[in-house]
Amino acid sequence: EPEVTQTPSHQVTQMGQEVILRCVPISNHLYFYWYRQILGQKVEFLVSFYNNEISEKSEIFDDQFSVERPDGSNFTLKIRSTKLEDSAMYFCASSEFSSYNEQFFGPGTRLTVL
Amino acid sequence: DQQVKQNSPSLSVQEGRISILNCDYTNSMFDYFLWYKKYPAEGPTFLISISSIKDKNEDGRFTVFLNKSAKHLSLHIVPSQPGDSAVYFCAASGGGSNYKLTFGKGTLLTVNP
Repeated sequence: EPEVTQTPSHQVTQMGQEVILRCVPISNHLYFYWYRQILGQKVEFLVSFYNNEISEKSEIFDDQFSVERPDGSNFTLKIRSTKLEDSAMYFCASSEFSSYNEQFFGPGTRLTVL
Repeated sequence: DQQVKQNSPSLSVQEGRISILNCDYTNSMFDYFLWYKKYPAEGPTFLISISSIKDKNEDGRFTVFLNKSAKHLSLHIVPSQPGDSAVYFCAASGGGSNYKLTFGKGTLLTVNP
């Protein structure tokens, strides 16, 4: 069964460093998403991406964040200058359509900012 | 911003019995609802969904009920199995967005053998 994959599974970084989290969505899906879950809190939407541009972003997704689809398979989330409060699980998801459609999630990347 | 609420942080049931997980929402513009299951160290796994034009959707042991007037949905698992033990998230979409899912905090279901 096709699945969303994410690398790395765990990333440890120093505050102020840049990190890139990588995702390979399901191959025939057209919509891509990033969510995060801070320990003990809800899964929160960060951004959606379609047709090589951001279709929607939350207030969390500020100028420190960017997304890119550098090739036909990868989808990345970059945090330019990490802060302690960026420590969280980051989940990538993809879907075939936008509305009325389930999103399929990857296993997540645990980001720890020291 | 608690647009989707799961008021029970945990639920414990015996194997073979029914598990009922509840979810309430406040945004009347939500028009599509989903349930996800999550094991530790894994991502959420889609279980079942329901459109706001329906009041019930069934898939095997899982049934989701939607009461639009009460802004309430529930997930029934019958019969419950130990492998169902996980965190269950209710999520909603619509409400002015075609893209994002708004999640509840989750309910930890424990099915005892």
